[in-house]
Amino acid sequence: KAGVTQTPRYLIKTRGQQVTLSCSPISGHRSVSWYQQTPGQGLQFLFEYFSETQRNKGNFPGRFSGRQFSNSRSEMNVSTLELGDSALYLCASSFGLRQVYEQYFGPGTRLTVT
Amino acid sequence: KNEVEQSPQNLTAQEGEFITINCSYSVGISALHWLQQHPGGGIVSLFMLSSGKKKHGRLIATINIQEKHSSLHITASHPRDSAVYICAARSNTGNQFYFGTGTSLTVIP
Repeated sequence: KAGVTQTPRYLIKTRGQQVTLSCSPISGHRSVSWYQQTPGQGLQFLFEYFSETQRNKGNFPGRFSGRQFSNSRSEMNVSTLELGDSALYLCASSFGLRQVYEQYFGPGTRLTVT
Repeated sequence: KNEVEQSPQNLTAQEGEFITINCSYSVGISALHWLQQHPGGGIVSLFMLSSGKKKHGRLIATINIQEKHSSLHITASHPRDSAVYICAARSNTGNQFYFGTGTSLTVIP
């Protein structure tokens, strides 16, 4: 099986712009979670989607949003980018929402905001 | 206050040494995860446990639910074990993840 894929892998944006990141889960997986990793804050949970519905949300401002499509692919969007949004954005997929299911991480998208 | 605390932050070991990384958490959990992150960013999930002990090769993870504490052990450490190890607690209310700050392990040949 192919692993979790994320596109693009690297991205440079300017303050005030918006960005959309994409995540394709492992085939058959229906849950996708998004995480932000920065040197200062470490890994932080953004949100989790299952069956096209946001099921859980971390403590991030409304500028961060996401969605999931019927084929389980997910996108996250950050509007009005700030310098502090520079980070590695990781997505992970799992078969379902239940805690027994293992999470598989993608390689991440490294976003730089200038 | 962080919901998940890890120690030590940095660890250097000689090849072959037995290594222990500790994780304490303050939230009620449904599962505790140990993750490994190599330079370049890729994350691999090593263990997911909610009780007792699990073993994969030279890696062992234990959890004590009453004490809200988990440990990751590496036996006969090898330079390829050099990575950042992250503890993550999945809350049983709200279902979100809380992450430790990571332990950077360097194993010297």
